[in-house]
Amino acid sequence: QLQLQESGPGLVKPSETLSLTCAVSGGSFTSSWWNWVRQPPGKGLEWIGEVHHSGLINYNPSLKSRVTISADKSKNQFSLKLNSVTAADTAFYFCANSPGSYRFDHWGQGTLVTVSS
Amino acid sequence: QSALTQPPSASGSPGQSVTISCTGTSSDVGAYNYVSWYQQYPGKAPKVMIYEVNKRPSGVPDRFSGSKSGNTASLTVSGLQAEDEADYYCTSHAGSNNAFVFGTGTRVTVL
Repeated sequence: QLQLQESGPGLVKPSETLSLTCAVSGGSFTSSWWNWVRQPPGKGLEWIGEVHHSGLINYNPSLKSRVTISADKSKNQFSLKLNSVTAADTAFYFCANSPGSYRFDHWGQGTLVTVSS
Repeated sequence: QSALTQPPSASGSPGQSVTISCTGTSSDVGAYNYVSWYQQYPGKAPKVMIYEVNKRPSGVPDRFSGSKSGNTASLTVSGLQAEDEADYYCTSHAGSNNAFVFGTGTRVTVL
């Protein structure tokens, strides 16, 4: 069974860079696209972007100027960097896989990142 | 990129049916048969219930069904059960460099 686990700081200062990593286990890293999705507390889901093991990347146009997603297939993990954060970036951040047909099959449990000084 | 439009809430009594709409545009919902639906309980990660408009992953009850007409997709939950009370989100493919767009979410209440 594929498992995903997010890790990273739970508190980031305004204007700094949010960095998260998602560790993948129990399945092939080369069989999916790997995604980041976020959800502000009490609000809806927002797709951030995706990366393929081959290096292909797609970003949400509304976040593209601040986001970098990368994959390290030697470690079976992928990462998210979001720069110049503000309070509006406070959210639960989930990683998820998309094996095809544009759906999210498996999700991490999510991690809350708070932007505050 | 605008979020797909869902009603904020829907409700029904146990045993009844509830249908949730998901309205997009000719660039997302109307253009691709890649609409999926997710169920989310408070404090939990979402779970896929429907993909490719009307396909159910293994383990999802057949009480859940999906359809699409034009720019609007729908999720129907038949024979409502207490455990169906949750938030539901649709998502659609939105073009080659814009893989996913989510719906605004619908809270389903079982009366």
